[in-house]
Amino acid sequence: GESVGLHLPTLSVQEGDNSIINCAYSNSASDYFIWYKQESGKGPQFIIDIRSNMDKRQGQRVTVLLNKTVKHLSLQIAATQPGDSAVYFCAENARGAGGTSYGKLTFGQGTILTVHP
Amino acid sequence: GAVVSQHPSRVICKSGTSVKIECRSLDFQATTMFWYRQFPKQSLMLMATSNEGSKATYEQGVEKDKFLINHASLTLSTLTVTSAHPEDSSFYICSARGARGINQPQHFGDGTRLSIL
Repeated sequence: GESVGLHLPTLSVQEGDNSIINCAYSNSASDYFIWYKQESGKGPQFIIDIRSNMDKRQGQRVTVLLNKTVKHLSLQIAATQPGDSAVYFCAENARGAGGTSYGKLTFGQGTILTVHP
Repeated sequence: GAVVSQHPSRVICKSGTSVKIECRSLDFQATTMFWYRQFPKQSLMLMATSNEGSKATYEQGVEKDKFLINHASLTLSTLTVTSAHPEDSSFYICSARGARGINQPQHFGDGTRLSIL
């Protein structure tokens, strides 16, 4: 079936470096994507979202890039800090074969980001 | 804004006990709420979707009679794990989405760690 997946399950960076977390999706009908951050023992925290009519969106220290041609999504974190250490999930608006939205999200596997001081 | 409160944060109880988990949207009206289950080092698995005032829609493989969901108001949904057994031990997380349509983020509670002895 359709799914959202991640290229790298773990990522280790030094404090101050930029981080890039990648996500591949397979449903070409998906039109809405979200990145979440989940710290240990907590629920996912919304970071940034993007609609399919855009290819880039920026927030505070974060940028999401969407490449619909290759069905790829990435999250860039600038000047990564130890507090950014967490699991990062991409999610897409789940749609059926005909493009009908199910009104729910499909989550990727997650990437563990570790930031070393 | 968009705060979701989940209670309790942790439950430890004996096998055969029924456990109720509450999910509240504190500063917005949640027309749709979602219940997820998450195993260690894994992604979120959607259990069911509930819309205020109507029956929940369960994902394939999720037992309706085992996991009772009630969404009686625009700010409260409850999940009751009936006659819980050790295999029901998990991290349960709720999320809520407002009334502005499907393409908007879900906001998550901080989860409930359920341990059945």
